[in-house]
Amino acid sequence: SSELTQDPAVSVALGQTVRITCQGDSLRNYYASWYQQKPGQAPVLVIYGNNNRPSGIPDRFSGSRSGDTASLTITGAQAEDEGDYYCNSRDSGADVFFGGGTKLTVL
Amino acid sequence: QVQLVQSGAEMKKPGASVKLSCKASGYSFTNYYMHWVRQAPGQGLEWMGRINPSGGSTDYAQRFQGRVTITRDTSPSTVNMDLNSLRSEDTAMYYCTRGGSSWFVFDYWGQGTLVTVSS
Repeated sequence: SSELTQDPAVSVALGQTVRITCQGDSLRNYYASWYQQKPGQAPVLVIYGNNNRPSGIPDRFSGSRSGDTASLTITGAQAEDEGDYYCNSRDSGADVFFGGGTKLTVL
Repeated sequence: QVQLVQSGAEMKKPGASVKLSCKASGYSFTNYYMHWVRQAPGQGLEWMGRINPSGGSTDYAQRFQGRVTITRDTSPSTVNMDLNSLRSEDTAMYYCTRGGSSWFVFDYWGQGTLVTVSS
């Protein structure tokens, strides 16, 4: 199956650690990438290749994978981290899939 | 710096077609795949298809097969996306995005083009 499943919503207290997960069979073979999207803006790549950060992304963002589940961890969440987070990956063919997205609220 | 600049908003009637463009600059255009991703209002991201600007080969998501065509012009460095037989469910923000270190990692995004389909 190429479906990627994410929790619809997660909340975290300011300065605490939060993990956002993405589950799918394809993740056993292909790595996940993570995108942050704020209202009215285009998505921004925050993690790729399971745990690589593009230039300019704070090091409080990290990624990992275990079996069929990829995780995005924010260590010391800040108010500006609020937004929607999407995972994506590929299947064995040429298709790309996104998870349904997780809305992160920083309390 | 890498920039993807998309064409302006479109308003179409059901059954019509729309052509969107995405002008790339700041990198070697033929070295990176270009993809189209759309987002309906209040919904998630949906991959539509991609093109290899080097040879022009394309792949489309199954649900858009037969309705979408992605093409490129190498001068200027532009990728186009045609979507036909529009229906109200096609109302969405459409993004072009570059496939980066791996073709399915989207490292740069255009600003988006809003397509509204309404009678």
